This record gives sequence, structure tokens and C-alpha cells, in this order.
Amino acid sequence: DTGVSQDPRHKITKRGQNVTFRCDPISEHNRLYWYRQTLGQGPEFLTYFQNEAQLEKSRLLSDRFSAERPKGSFSTLEIQRTEQGDSAMYLCASSLAYGTGTYNEQFFGPGTRLTVL
Amino acid sequence: QQQVKQSPQSLIVQKGGISIINCAYENTAFDYFPWYQQFPGKGPALLIAIRPDVSEKKEGRFTISFNKSAKQFSLHIMDSQPGDSATYFCAATLNSGGSNYKLTFGKGTLLTVNP
Repeated sequence: DTGVSQDPRHKITKRGQNVTFRCDPISEHNRLYWYRQTLGQGPEFLTYFQNEAQLEKSRLLSDRFSAERPKGSFSTLEIQRTEQGDSAMYLCASSLAYGTGTYNEQFFGPGTRLTVL
Repeated sequence: QQQVKQSPQSLIVQKGGISIINCAYENTAFDYFPWYQQFPGKGPALLIAIRPDVSEKKEGRFTISFNKSAKQFSLHIMDSQPGDSATYFCAATLNSGGSNYKLTFGKGTLLTVNP
């Protein structure tokens, strides 16, 4: 399977704990996006990377959230001091962006469902 | 501010019927409008997309109608099948130069097609 993969698929944690999620994009894709999806809502943009550079962060991404994409390959999303409001599905997507003016499909992974008790 | 409004929230259709989902957007800078299909436990998958320079795009049983002046677009699923039962999201993004192509999604429509 050469699609976007995410690990773990499910994570249950206690409030105040730190969690880290991993996303492995499609190998040749240079763009990687993180979205958050809560129950009954559409995905909301969190941040994106062009290769290893993090180029934009949403206001939704508080200081407790940090994302990295070392070497422009896989990415990690860490949430420190989790709160119950962090409970959501965290989706990763990747795309191949050649440059300006052309949208290339974002392929989504299956997501990591986080439950904060 | 909800930039993409989607309706209805849920929809029940009989097999063979037509499913219609509507979306309205606020940001006139949006210039690419994809529809995503999501099954339980899966990530969203691109279904069909349209640019504002055309009023309609058809792919198989799926058709997007686009009304630029009204800032509205809709998804029509013809001959709906039980396998179409899923959550559908409309989305919008900027396709212009320098865009990061981040997607702004509607809240989704849960479609149930009864056999």
C-alpha cells in the first residue's frame, strides 16, 4: 500500500499527558498537511510543510502543538499537556506541488483518533 | 467564521434516486472547489472537483453544478446506490500563484441510500 499512513490509529490518554502522532506521506510528495476533524465537522487546517519547511500554522495550533518534518519525509505532530478539547481525529494529507497555479490532489491518511480522558 | 456552508446535514435517499448536496462559500478568492467522500474509519477521498470557469462538471454518476454569481455549488449523485452511503464534504481552496492549497471544508452531509 503506497498511500498515506498514520500511526497510531487510536490513542487514549489522560489529560495533561503528551502525545505524538506520526504521518508517512506518499513517497514523492513534497507537501504535507495536518488537519483536525471533530465529530460532526469537516476537517480544519492546522499546518503544512513544503519539504522540511513549515510554511503556515493555523490559529487553531496553540503553543501546546508542535509539528516537524525532518528531512522532508515523515512528519510528527506533538500535543503537550493534552486537554479534553484536543479530542479529535487528526488527519494527515500529502500532495505533489510542482509550483504555482496548479492544484494537485491532497491524499488523506486514515487519521489518528485521539481521546483525552 | 464559517467560510463554506453545507446543507443538508443528513440525507436519506432510496436506491436509484438522486442525491443533492448544496454548498455556499463566502470568500470570492476561492477558485477551486473539490468534493470529498469519507467512509467510517477512513480519511476523506477526492470525488470530483470544479473550477469557477465552468458551470458544470460530470464524472460518471457524479455532477457538480457551479453558480459563481450566487457563490454556490452543488453535488448531484444520480442513480444513488447503497455503496454511496458515506459522509460528503464540499471544500474550497485558492488555486492561484503562491497558494498553499489548504482546504476549507464544509461541515459534511451524511448520506444514507436505502436499498
